[in-house]
Amino acid sequence: DGGITQSPKYLFRKEGQNVTLSCEQNLNHDAMYWYRQDPGQGLRLIYYSQIVNDFQKGDIAEGYSVSREKKESFPLTVTSAQKNPTAFYLCASSIDRGIANEQFFGPGTRLTVL
Amino acid sequence: GENVEQHPSTLSVQEGDSAVIKCTYSDSASNYFPWYKQELGKRPQLIIDIRSNVGEKKDQRIAVTLNKTAKHFSLHITETQPEDSAVYFCAARTSYGQNFVFGPGTRLSVLP
Repeated sequence: DGGITQSPKYLFRKEGQNVTLSCEQNLNHDAMYWYRQDPGQGLRLIYYSQIVNDFQKGDIAEGYSVSREKKESFPLTVTSAQKNPTAFYLCASSIDRGIANEQFFGPGTRLTVL
Repeated sequence: GENVEQHPSTLSVQEGDSAVIKCTYSDSASNYFPWYKQELGKRPQLIIDIRSNVGEKKDQRIAVTLNKTAKHFSLHITETQPEDSAVYFCAARTSYGQNFVFGPGTRLSVLP
């Protein structure tokens, strides 16, 4: 878990606004992921990226966008098209060198729409 | 694609008893199976994992078993303590380039 950070910890958004959640890792991990977690629910994949300048949609990508311009950074933008964005957002990373390895999670960002 | 089911959704045990959580997966190509513990409002943390070339793995009070033929794996916690109370998630992943698929979680309560 050390080495992957998310900011801010809490974020409030007005309806119609776009907001960007930050995720940074200094673990030299190749892959990065964004998950959404609703109260009492599991983890749903929004987007993931295996290498710089490449990313794939997960199960619930609509209303979200990402970029991967640097290996260390994978910001998530929650757009106004996401109608129900209030949730706990978790970023994760993993080292991908031919075999699957564990994911390390950031501390999360709790987003609330006012 | 991969689908992971997890049972039970909630589990209450008396302190000192054992707890078992079971997961099934659908993709026979999956070869990595981690278990995460998440306390309220915090990030999931890996507690144990197993690869498909191993049938069982143990770490103190925690163990995981894998049955590749039946495509299921289980988490076993012995001598449970109140601090074991949390939500536990299983996951499955195929080899390089694929994402993780998580189960829906099990809320474990250890009663003093």
